[in-house]
Amino acid sequence: DIVMTQSPDSLAVSLGERATINCKSSQSVLYSSNKKNYLAWYQQKAGQPPKLLIYWASTRESGVPDRFSGSGSGTDFTLTISSLQAEDVAVYYCQQYYDSPPGYTFGQGTKLEIK
Amino acid sequence: EVQLVESGGGLVQPGGSLRLSCAASGFTFSNHWMNWVRQAPGKGLEWVANIKRDGSQTYYLDSVKGRFTISRDNAKNSVTLQMNSLRVEDTAVYYCARLTWSPSDRSDGYDGPYRNLDFWGQGTLVTVSS
Repeated sequence: DIVMTQSPDSLAVSLGERATINCKSSQSVLYSSNKKNYLAWYQQKAGQPPKLLIYWASTRESGVPDRFSGSGSGTDFTLTISSLQAEDVAVYYCQQYYDSPPGYTFGQGTKLEIK
Repeated sequence: EVQLVESGGGLVQPGGSLRLSCAASGFTFSNHWMNWVRQAPGKGLEWVANIKRDGSQTYYLDSVKGRFTISRDNAKNSVTLQMNSLRVEDTAVYYCARLTWSPSDRSDGYDGPYRNLDFWGQGTLVTVSS
């Protein structure tokens, strides 16, 4: 099974500043035939279900503000919020969908707060 | 508007059974793999099971194999999770979640499970306790 490890576990950033969350997979989630990374990012606000932000490691879901961006390939990935807004306070999860048979493992989550 | 509404959660004793349901609306249900994902209190997300568009394939988390069964009724736009031999560690909010199926997947004839989750219900709480 692919293990997903996020860092840090929690993060406090000032409003308007950049927030960076890292995600590392125990094996590559890059599929060689289509050159796609099978990696998604989700945002979960308190008391709400998760919401999809990014898929294929860097494709922003429709309606997601462009201050959210995803990057990385293979085993190392990053979610960046370019200018933190108050409404971005949440727990962020990375997830792989590469594993066969499907296992859809998630990272442990990163809690983002305002400094 | 896409909607997924879970029901059936509650308090059950260890060893007991519970049946969760998810009612879908606002999209063509039969076009999507459907999933259950759970979240123990104060913990992270854990995928539990999923089922193919026509119900012909299912996959499960190892720790629930043989105890949980996922099924779907495309005529009623619903997916269920039958949970037997429940354990204390099954206590969690259970979310129904849709697997994405993009226009390019449609045009390519892709029918597999290796895609991201794109929409989640509000969840239903299952508590296993004596």
